[in-house]
Order: sequence, then C-alpha cells, then structure tokens
Amino acid sequence: DAKTTQPTSMDCAEGRAANLPCNHSTISGNEYVYWYRQIHSQGPQYIIHGLKNNETNEMASLIITEDRKSSTLILPHATLRDTAVYYCIVRGYDRGSTLGRLYFGRGTQLTVWP
Amino acid sequence: DAGITQSPRHKVTETGTPVTLRCHQTENHRYMYWYRQDPGHGLRLIHYSYGVKDTDKGEVSDGYSVSRSKTEDFLLTLESATSSQTSVYFCAISRDRVSPLHFGNGTRLTVT
Repeated sequence: DAKTTQPTSMDCAEGRAANLPCNHSTISGNEYVYWYRQIHSQGPQYIIHGLKNNETNEMASLIITEDRKSSTLILPHATLRDTAVYYCIVRGYDRGSTLGRLYFGRGTQLTVWP
Repeated sequence: DAGITQSPRHKVTETGTPVTLRCHQTENHRYMYWYRQDPGHGLRLIHYSYGVKDTDKGEVSDGYSVSRSKTEDFLLTLESATSSQTSVYFCAISRDRVSPLHFGNGTRLTVT
C-alpha cells in the first residue's frame, strides 16, 4: 500500500514552475513525506523530504499542508531535463514493519515542453 | 551515482538457472536494499539489509535470497529463475534508517 495518491500525468512549459500535488490523508505523526524522480532507464533520484515544515533545497521546494494530509513539490523553473516520473512517498521510522523502507506508488509523469 | 555500482547491467538467462546480482557501494552506508520495478507495479522492495549479516524480507521476497558478508556488497540471488522474475532490479543504500535512499542505475534481467 503506497499510502499516497498522485495524478497520473502533468505538463509544464519550460521556465515555468511545476507544481506536483500529492495526497497522503492517512499519514501518521511519525511519517515523513519523500519525493523522488525517475528518468527513463535510470534509478530513482532523491529530491527532498519533510515532516511538517516546508523545505527547500537546490532542486525543489516542498510545501506540506498544516494537517499533513497533502503536499506539493515545486520545481521553480522547470527545464526539459526535469521530464521524469515523480514519486511521492511516506516513510516511517518505527522499528518493526517499516524500518525506514520506502514504498513507491505509480507516480506522476511530468512532461516539460519547450 | 552516490557510489553505487550494480553488476551486471544486463543479463539474459534461462528458466531454472541460478542468477546472482551484485550491488557494490563505496559510501560505507549501513543500509542496503533490493527493489524490482515492473510496469503497473512501480518499485517493490524485495529484501533489505541493516548491517553485515543482518537482512530482512520486503514485500516480494519469495524466490529471492540475499547475503551481505561485507559492508560494501549486497548480493541478490535467484536460486532458480522464473519468467516472472524478468524485471529491472535496483539496489539502494542509506546511511542509516532515517537518511534518504540513493539508488543505483539498475540491472535489467530477462528470464527466457
């Protein structure tokens, strides 16, 4: 059970911001939200993660709603090289069933067009 | 990427033969993972390791075994390959159980 819901596909014009939504309404208090992306035939690439505060790094920003039931990944200036499948994942750290493992869903195919 | 090497990158084998895939890391990370990726299923965890000789099953472990005799190497073995094990296999590592996972570039396995 991936525990997240994402749109199957999205488009974005090059140079514009890409906003990728994710619903995780059953997230529990100790679970983080992670984002990865995968370019065809390559391994998934880590982008960013957060618990409840908004996060920003050199690749993207992560906005998590106050109730933590949804989040948005923002690529501020999308380029053609950002075309990929983007995965939103929740990850827990309790000992036992998860131990930090990631469960991937089907992700969102983002296509950036010129 | 991230000091992870998977070998071989491509392999074709026949049903019933044993196959071993290797994941080698140069990061000295404690955790290592094996995933498989199939159309319509995304990535699914097969096995993972949280230290030398410490391993545990993932969600699709049947038909697979793993070994970790050194920190840097995590082997995935298909004792008797089946056509349903045709897939792309990804290895991942993480420094500890709370750090992000970083993935290798995969092994494409075809079982005929």
